[in-house]
Amino acid sequence: GEDVEQSLFLSVREGDSSVINCTYTDSSSTYLYWYKQEPGAGLQLLTYIFSNMDMKQDQRLTVLLNKKDKHLSLRIADTQTGDSAIYFCAESIMDSNYQLIWGAGTKLIIKP
Amino acid sequence: DTGVSQNPRHKITKRGQNVTFRCDPISEHNRLYWYRQTLGQGPEFLTYFQNEAQLEKSRLLSDRFSAERPKGSFSTLEIQRTEQGDSAMYLCASSVTGEGEQFFGPGTRLTVL
Repeated sequence: GEDVEQSLFLSVREGDSSVINCTYTDSSSTYLYWYKQEPGAGLQLLTYIFSNMDMKQDQRLTVLLNKKDKHLSLRIADTQTGDSAIYFCAESIMDSNYQLIWGAGTKLIIKP
Repeated sequence: DTGVSQNPRHKITKRGQNVTFRCDPISEHNRLYWYRQTLGQGPEFLTYFQNEAQLEKSRLLSDRFSAERPKGSFSTLEIQRTEQGDSAMYLCASSVTGEGEQFFGPGTRLTVL
C-alpha cells in the first residue's frame, strides 16, 4: 500500500540549513509536495516537484528527489525563526486520481 | 479571490448531535477535496468531487458521513450522530484539475464532548 514517512522532529540553529527528509513507497507518484503548517493556520504549499525531475530550487528552498530510493528532501537555507512549523511531505498518485498521500509531518524547531 | 474558505472555524458539539460544515473553493476550481487531520498526523483523504460528482470516498468515511456539492461550487460535509472519535480538524482543498496544486482552507476544528 501507499506510505509516506518522515521524522517527527528536526532541531536546527538559526542561520543554519535545515534538511527535512521523506520516503515514500509508491513508484507511480506523479508529483511530490512539501506543505508547511503553522500553529492555528491552514496548510500552505511551499513547493512541489514532478516525478521526472531530480531537483528544484526556489529561493531558500531546494527539493531533491531520488526516485530510485524513493527519497525526497527539502533543504531550507539560512533557517529563520519564521520557518518554525510542521512540514508535510505528500505524494500525488495518478492511478488514485491524484489523491494526496501524506506523511505525519516533521516539526522544525529553531534554536537561537 | 481570497482562497478556499471554510465555516465554521470551530464547532463544539455533544455526542450524538449532527453537524454540518461548509467549504467554498476557489471559484474556477473543478476539484474539491475533504480531508481529516488529527493531532500529530498528516491529513487523511475522505472524499473528493469533480464538479458536482462525488467520485471517490475513503474507507474511512463511515455511513454517518455524507458530503455534497450540489451545484459544483460550495460543498457541505455532514456528520450524523457524532462520536468522540470524530473530533479532528476537517480540511477542504480545491484544485483546477486532478493533477494541479491543491489549495487548502483554514479548516474546521470539531470537538465532540
